Amino acid sequence: EVQLLESGGGLVQPGGSLTLSCAASRFTFNTYAMSWVRQAPGKGLEWVSHISGSGGNTNYADSVKGRFTISRDTSKNTLYLQMNSLRGEDTAIYYCAKVSGSSWFDLWGRGTLVTVAS
Amino acid sequence: QSVLTQPPSVSGAPGQRVTISCTGSSSNIGAGYDVHWYQQLPGTAPKLLIYGNSNRPSGVPDRISGSKSGTSASLAITGLQAEDEGNYYCQSYDSSLSVWVFGGGTKLTVL
Repeated sequence: EVQLLESGGGLVQPGGSLTLSCAASRFTFNTYAMSWVRQAPGKGLEWVSHISGSGGNTNYADSVKGRFTISRDTSKNTLYLQMNSLRGEDTAIYYCAKVSGSSWFDLWGRGTLVTVAS
Repeated sequence: QSVLTQPPSVSGAPGQRVTISCTGSSSNIGAGYDVHWYQQLPGTAPKLLIYGNSNRPSGVPDRISGSKSGTSASLAITGLQAEDEGNYYCQSYDSSLSVWVFGGGTKLTVL
């Protein structure tokens, strides 16, 4: 079955760091761009970051630019999100999503919860 | 405040038709960027419902449709069913912000 599985979420103190992983299976990982999308508790969806299939191009929302880094390891079929200088407003479920047509998210993982609190 | 504007809620009785609007601007929908729609049922991840304004992925019933005109788009659901109850989000790309953008979401209640 084609799927994405996130991991790495948890409780972290403000100012701390966390790295999320997203394992992809049953599709040609290196031919698709990937994104991270987050959802704060009770709120809507917010796009966070995007990486091209080759990994050579990355984009970030202004809210995370300079603090988060997206990367991918083709040999492991895994997407990553390194999150530094975490703030309370980063508390959310983080979803990884496969990008199709350079534009839409056609496959989503189940998400991993990140809670930033002291 | 979201770049794409959706009504916070809509409702309808079983069997009825409902529509959800998504209003953007000249830097996103009006610039020609496609609109996509997602359904998020309670406690689950979002699921692609419509891509490229009006295309349905395999498995999405034809009672669900999408359209786009000018700086707006719409999602229509006919023959409303109890299992349609959830949140719906539109999504596009904004060229002035250089980011992918979502609407604020619309909660659909089946009466």
